[in-house]
Amino acid sequence: GAVVSQHPSWVICKSGTSVKIECRSLDFQATTMFWYRQFPKQSLMLMATSNEGSKATYEQGVEKDKFLINHASLTLSTLTVTSAHPEDSSFYICSARDLLAGEQFFGPGTRLTVL
Amino acid sequence: QQQVKQSPQSLIVQKGGIPIINCAYENTAFDYFPWYQQFPGKGPALLIAIRPDVSEKKEGRFTISFNKSAKQFSLHIMDSQPGDSATYFCAASIREVPDTGKLIFGQGTTLQVKP
Repeated sequence: GAVVSQHPSWVICKSGTSVKIECRSLDFQATTMFWYRQFPKQSLMLMATSNEGSKATYEQGVEKDKFLINHASLTLSTLTVTSAHPEDSSFYICSARDLLAGEQFFGPGTRLTVL
Repeated sequence: QQQVKQSPQSLIVQKGGIPIINCAYENTAFDYFPWYQQFPGKGPALLIAIRPDVSEKKEGRFTISFNKSAKQFSLHIMDSQPGDSATYFCAASIREVPDTGKLIFGQGTTLQVKP
């Protein structure tokens, strides 16, 4: 149990294009999902907290117009990187908080490379 | 202070040894302390977690020791194996209103277990 999936697992895109990453909790409901960014050999940097049916809460310094988050249901959240640039290349990881257990489970991550 | 300080940054042990990773915090409002294991190119996986009302918790070969007065907690890996070689993150969260379960992560410890 407690499986979180992400799609795609890796994506390469051209500068200026937009990329959508999906995060799904497969066997539990999650009122809250989180989006992180991780650079090589560094810790996880929280980008935003996503609540089902409401606007995401972004961390300081994260551009909400560039990183669009939608939490459409209790099992799905999406992150769209708009007008991607090479500096947006990173490992993006989502997590979902189990509504009942309260624990947070992570997806496998999405490697984004912007050329 | 919304920080969790983790040490050491890296650790090398022989197979069968007991690596110990330490974390310290300042905010006494933290009430949930999980540990995550991350392999290269993968998302973090929840290993074990503890709340401040207990001083120790064991799950398999993993043990958390918690010292509330010192505001410190640590992860011990018994009979470590080469397959335990990974990056370990401690984290902490505060029960807020609304309670999102937002985690504050330590800097990470890269563990290498030599055969």
